[in-house]
Amino acid sequence: GAGVSQTPSNKVTEKGKYVELRCDPISGHTALYWYRQSLGQGPEFLIYFQGTGAADDSGLPNDRFFAVRPEGSVSTLKIQRTERGDSAVYLCASSLTEHSSYNEQFFGPGTRLTVL
Amino acid sequence: GENVEQHPSTLSVQEGDSAVIKCTYSDSASNYFPWYKQELGKRPQLIIDIRSNVGEKKDQRIAVTLNKTAKHFSLHITETQPEDSAVYFCAADYYGNNRLAFGKGNQVVVIP
Repeated sequence: GAGVSQTPSNKVTEKGKYVELRCDPISGHTALYWYRQSLGQGPEFLIYFQGTGAADDSGLPNDRFFAVRPEGSVSTLKIQRTERGDSAVYLCASSLTEHSSYNEQFFGPGTRLTVL
Repeated sequence: GENVEQHPSTLSVQEGDSAVIKCTYSDSASNYFPWYKQELGKRPQLIIDIRSNVGEKKDQRIAVTLNKTAKHFSLHITETQPEDSAVYFCAADYYGNNRLAFGKGNQVVVIP
């Protein structure tokens, strides 16, 4: 079946603009994660959802970042008043559940965000 | 929170030799330790994982060992091939849930 998909693959925006990044998880996966990966670094946790609710948003860097998953499937990461430091690859991952059975997290291809 | 460190940052090996990457973690409650492989411009892909109730796991040419007392785990790749060239990330779960903290990654270069 289809893997995790993310759109757009690339996004270039100007400082101060608003952007939305979309993630479509694997069908049937209830847990969804957002990570941010800067050049030369490992993925950095931002937020995860179990179903429709944000189970843990402690990785969001500040209140300019927000994410939703209204129907428990597709998720949108929203960034307001973008700054140059927000430039990174934003990765989405999904897993069957988030419970301690440690289901594999499957990653999407990422959205490369560039803030000019 | 969880802090994961990887050593060395870059590793070059001759084709056919073995490669070993070591990670240390800080949270004694961590129970799950996956390794991801990321090729240039591609998504991270899980290659092997280990849970805290075992000390070693093998899958063909890849193995992972875990020492919970010392809080470190290692990836072993035997009979390396050019297609093993990639960045490898180790990770550990936060406080025993499925959030992952990643290391900075190791660039492995297999020289033909």
